[in-house]
Amino acid sequence: DGGITQSPKYLFRKEGQNVTLSCEQNLNHDAMYWYRQDPGQGLRLIYYSQIVNDFQKGDIAEGYSVSREKKESFPLTVTSAQKNPTAFYLCASSTGLAGLYNEQFFGPGTRLTVL
Amino acid sequence: DAKTTQPNSMESNEEEPVHLPCNHSTISGTDYIHWYRQLPSQGPEYVIHGLTSNVNNRMASLAIAEDRKSSTLILHRATLRDAAVYYCILKNPLSGRLSSPGSQGNLIFGKGTKLSVKP
Repeated sequence: DGGITQSPKYLFRKEGQNVTLSCEQNLNHDAMYWYRQDPGQGLRLIYYSQIVNDFQKGDIAEGYSVSREKKESFPLTVTSAQKNPTAFYLCASSTGLAGLYNEQFFGPGTRLTVL
Repeated sequence: DAKTTQPNSMESNEEEPVHLPCNHSTISGTDYIHWYRQLPSQGPEYVIHGLTSNVNNRMASLAIAEDRKSSTLILHRATLRDAAVYYCILKNPLSGRLSSPGSQGNLIFGKGTKLSVKP
């Protein structure tokens, strides 16, 4: 079945450590996104990528980094510079930039807890 | 992209219709109205979208006011599985291509409406 996978579902890290969250899609989508969600809040965009080897900062990119070496993969690294990394992280993809015809498909999310 | 206003929460009884309102008084002529929902501890999923005319699909119906300043997502028969946070989002498909980074291509999710369904 086509879809988006994120692993792991739950992740615990010590403060000061970098951690990389995985996102893979087999939908042949060009665009991929990373969002962060805090309890009771909506989603905030961290980074997005329209095409391989290209990505753009979203609204809250500080303390995060991404890469897009393959069309199907868009890993997110939460660095030690991110002041409040504990959150629910969601990866999404779409055939093109989300809008008129391009609904976003979301993964199941990774819940990161920094101790 | 224009802002939307939704009630924080709503309750419904199982098997009854649910009308989820969304106000978007500053909507522009090219903004599409999108609805997503997020089940507990899951990623959001697309529900429906429209521009001017009412829209129906297997999940729901979207009723858009004639002046487009408000819309209503209609679940015809609520089930327990419909308990979720529902997001109403406006998106101009052409926005962001020349504007500042961060708004290009993404959907801006507010807090949405948390729908509870009672058996």
